[in-house]
Amino acid sequence: AQKITQTQPGMFVQEKEAVTLDCTYDTSDPSYGLFWYKQPSSGEMIFLIYQGSYDQQNATEGRYSLNFQKARKSANLVISASQLGDSAMYFCAMREGIVSGGYNKLIFGAGTRLAVHP
Amino acid sequence: SQTIHQWPATLVQPVGSPLSLECTVEGTSNPNLYWYRQAAGRGLQLLFYSVGIGQISSEVPQNLSASRPQDRQFILSSKKLLLSDSGFYLCASGQTQETQYFGPGTRLLVL
Repeated sequence: AQKITQTQPGMFVQEKEAVTLDCTYDTSDPSYGLFWYKQPSSGEMIFLIYQGSYDQQNATEGRYSLNFQKARKSANLVISASQLGDSAMYFCAMREGIVSGGYNKLIFGAGTRLAVHP
Repeated sequence: SQTIHQWPATLVQPVGSPLSLECTVEGTSNPNLYWYRQAAGRGLQLLFYSVGIGQISSEVPQNLSASRPQDRQFILSSKKLLLSDSGFYLCASGQTQETQYFGPGTRLLVL
C-alpha cells in the first residue's frame, strides 16, 4: 500500500486565491512527522512546513498552513494568497517513528504540480 | 543556517563508467546526511543515510555506494554505471527530526 498518497497530479489556481493540496498517509506508528516541500523547475527541494503527530495545533509558516486531520490521516497543505512564484511541484513526505540520533527516513508522495495563473 | 553544496550540477556518463558525486555542508556540525534519487516526474527515493563519519546505511540494494570521509562531506559512487542510474540525485542534511534540507541536486544522464 502507498504510504503517502497525493491524488492531484495537477492543480490550477488564480493568483491571490487560496489553494489546498491534498496528502493522505498510511502508518500504524503513533509517532510520525509530516513534511511538505516545494520543487521549482530548478529542481531544488525547498522545505515549507513540518507537522508532528503529537502537535496539538496545525503548523503554519507564513502563507503556508497544514490542515492536519489525524483521524482521517490527512495532512493537506493550504497556500493562501497564491503568487505566480508558487508555481512548482509540491511533495508531501512522512517520517515513521522516532529514532534516536534524529535521522529522518522520509517517504515521499508522487507530488502535485501547481500552476498559478495571473 | 546551513548551506548544502553538490557537485557537479550536471553529468553525462557512458554506461559502465565510474561515478562520484560530492555533497558538502556548511554552517552545521555533525549533521545527519542523506542521498536521494528522483526519477523523471516522480517522488524521491532514499538511497543512503549517514549519522556520522564512516557510518553508512543503505536503503535500496543497487550498484551504488556511499561514503562519508569527513563530518560534512558525503559522496555517492558507482564502479560501473547502468542506464537505470540516470536521474536527479539530491543530498540532504538535518540535525533534528523536524528538519531536512536539500542541496541543489545533480542531474545524471547515463548513455
